[in-house]
Amino acid sequence: EAQVTQNPRYLITVTGKKLTVTCSQNMNHEYMSWYRQDPGLGLRQIYYSMNVEVTDKGDVPEGYKVSRKEKRNFPLILESPSPNQTSLYFCASSLSEVQPQHFGDGTRLSIL
Amino acid sequence: AQSVSQHNHHVILSEAASLELGCNYSYGGTVNLFWYVQYPGQHLQLLLKYFSGDPLVKGIKGFEAEFIKSKFSFNLRKPSVQWSDTAEYFCAVRGNNRLAFGKGNQVVVIP
Repeated sequence: EAQVTQNPRYLITVTGKKLTVTCSQNMNHEYMSWYRQDPGLGLRQIYYSMNVEVTDKGDVPEGYKVSRKEKRNFPLILESPSPNQTSLYFCASSLSEVQPQHFGDGTRLSIL
Repeated sequence: AQSVSQHNHHVILSEAASLELGCNYSYGGTVNLFWYVQYPGQHLQLLLKYFSGDPLVKGIKGFEAEFIKSKFSFNLRKPSVQWSDTAEYFCAVRGNNRLAFGKGNQVVVIP
């Protein structure tokens, strides 16, 4: 089954404790992206990747890192999480940057 | 930077009523346009897309959208909604190598 898988689905943690949210897709998609969804703000793009080893900042990259060492994986790293990063995060992938995106089920992060 | 505007963030209507959600964008070049739907507790799913050709696009579940280039708009419509259409709807615009989402419309359909 074609899917985008995120882990964990839920996480409560404390300020400053490094965390990684994994994202994996099984569709051989070249384009992958991370978004955060906040009430009243819609989805905002954090980082995106056009292909392996090619990543770029989205609209709200501060406080986040990503890597794309393999085509299927695109982890989101919060080196020193802060409470303002409490949000619902979605990973998405698509065949190319212009094609519709397939979204994962989301990861709800709470930073205390 | 391009932006996407969605109006009437909260919409409440009865079953069988017609629905229209507005979407306006600011970017003036070539764009790809999308509407996504997010049912309660689920991830976003594609409703429909416009790349080129006929500006009236038909999507899944009876939804359609019309691209009006002169108005920078891509409004979503459904003639007769059902309770199962209760969801949040997002317009997205891709242009200049960037993808921007609107803030969403929360639609509640009352049985």
